Amino acid sequence: NAGVTQTPKFQVLKTGQSMTLQCAQDMNHEYMSWYRQDPGMGLRLIHYSVGAGITDQGEVPNGYNVSRSTTEDFPLRLLSAAPSQTSVYFCASSSPGANVLTFGAGSRLTVL
Amino acid sequence: QKEVEQDPGPLSVPEGAIVSLNCTYSNSAFQYFMWYRQYSRKGPELLMYTYSSGNKEDGRFTAQVDKSSKYISLFIRDSQPSDSATYLCAPFPGYSSASKIIFGSGTRLSIRP
Repeated sequence: NAGVTQTPKFQVLKTGQSMTLQCAQDMNHEYMSWYRQDPGMGLRLIHYSVGAGITDQGEVPNGYNVSRSTTEDFPLRLLSAAPSQTSVYFCASSSPGANVLTFGAGSRLTVL
Repeated sequence: QKEVEQDPGPLSVPEGAIVSLNCTYSNSAFQYFMWYRQYSRKGPELLMYTYSSGNKEDGRFTAQVDKSSKYISLFIRDSQPSDSATYLCAPFPGYSSASKIIFGSGTRLSIRP
């Protein structure tokens, strides 16, 4: 049972490049979320999904896209990377009947 | 005003001390109050949660909620170096909101041996 798996663990991009952060969970959780974590800012919600085909914006959605075609996967796309998107990104999942978020190990992104 | 406010610290205390970590929140609809612990370069993990007002104890940890003042506390007794981590509070309204939980900024705690 792998839980929540994020790839890649580390990535360096140049300004303007695009990329996708992958997130997969094997717990059959309906809810999935993406957060970014910056020093002194805590975890900020980027996008979330309550099920396949349903996504919505969180606190800081600008510059990011998501889709949810399956229950297991919730990729986060950076359309045109900017230095302000340098951060650690965490994917999380939960089931509707539980209060617990299960987090992945994080993806550390640097935009030059 | 942010929905959840938390002193970022860092907080450094000697081993064995009692630690008090606190959050305030503004949304009176919050019913569940969670504390997550995050070790360096790891993802957060749920430490404990409470529902509505009152206290909840789990070993050396006690979570306390005062809904009248919108104040959340986490107490750690007999603190250990292994408690050194960042602690994040996360109140939210209910099950339907579990996908969009808003976190406090986290308090970085260091326990000195």
